[in-house]
Amino acid sequence: DADVTQTPRNRITKTGKRIMLECSQTKGHDRMYWYRQDPGLGLQLIYYSFDVKDINKGEISDGYSVSRQAQAKFSLSLESAIPNQTALYFCATSRSGGAQDTQYFGPGTRLTVL
Amino acid sequence: AQSVTQPDIHITVSEGASLELRCNYSYGATPYLFWYVQSPGQGLQLLLKYFSGDTLVQGIKGFEAEFKRSQSSFNLRKPSVHWSDAAEYFCAVGNFGNEKLTFGTGTRLTIIP
Repeated sequence: DADVTQTPRNRITKTGKRIMLECSQTKGHDRMYWYRQDPGLGLQLIYYSFDVKDINKGEISDGYSVSRQAQAKFSLSLESAIPNQTALYFCATSRSGGAQDTQYFGPGTRLTVL
Repeated sequence: AQSVTQPDIHITVSEGASLELRCNYSYGATPYLFWYVQSPGQGLQLLLKYFSGDTLVQGIKGFEAEFKRSQSSFNLRKPSVHWSDAAEYFCAVGNFGNEKLTFGTGTRLTIIP
């Protein structure tokens, strides 16, 4: 079984709908991250969490919210989806955090907002 | 602020040929440097990383990278590519005390028979 899983893998929705993307991990890591990937832009950090009580904004958090329900689960929500949120979304985990630690990525969720 | 440049958007290489993917970074102190690979439909996987010490770093799948401070570069190399190396490659930079990794825009590698 994969260490970092994301659901759904693909989602098409309409403008204005609320969407939740879920991430689960079995690695026992404390730190979890949400990124979005756009063609030609690389990965941009949306939110990251040190543990269930510590959540931090990344560089592009506007329009997104997150919830860390447990050590193993980190959800990303789009309260009112808009077309420019169409992207590939990745969840990642790391053991201790800090830029020196390896991040382990899920397979991604492809989101299309019409 | 730290930044990463991958000047090559797309590279095509013949199977069995050597490969070098370029990465330049901008950061004042010694950075933490990474190369990740993203195969089609997959998440990113770490190939190798550099923090300090020997400037030539060995990674998985036969890849290596060399940190050159004077050129602010961390180029990825492989002596002989295989068709399975076709993927997108991302260079990333971080620094001590900062939770955030900055990723380059990626280089897509195509392998031709």
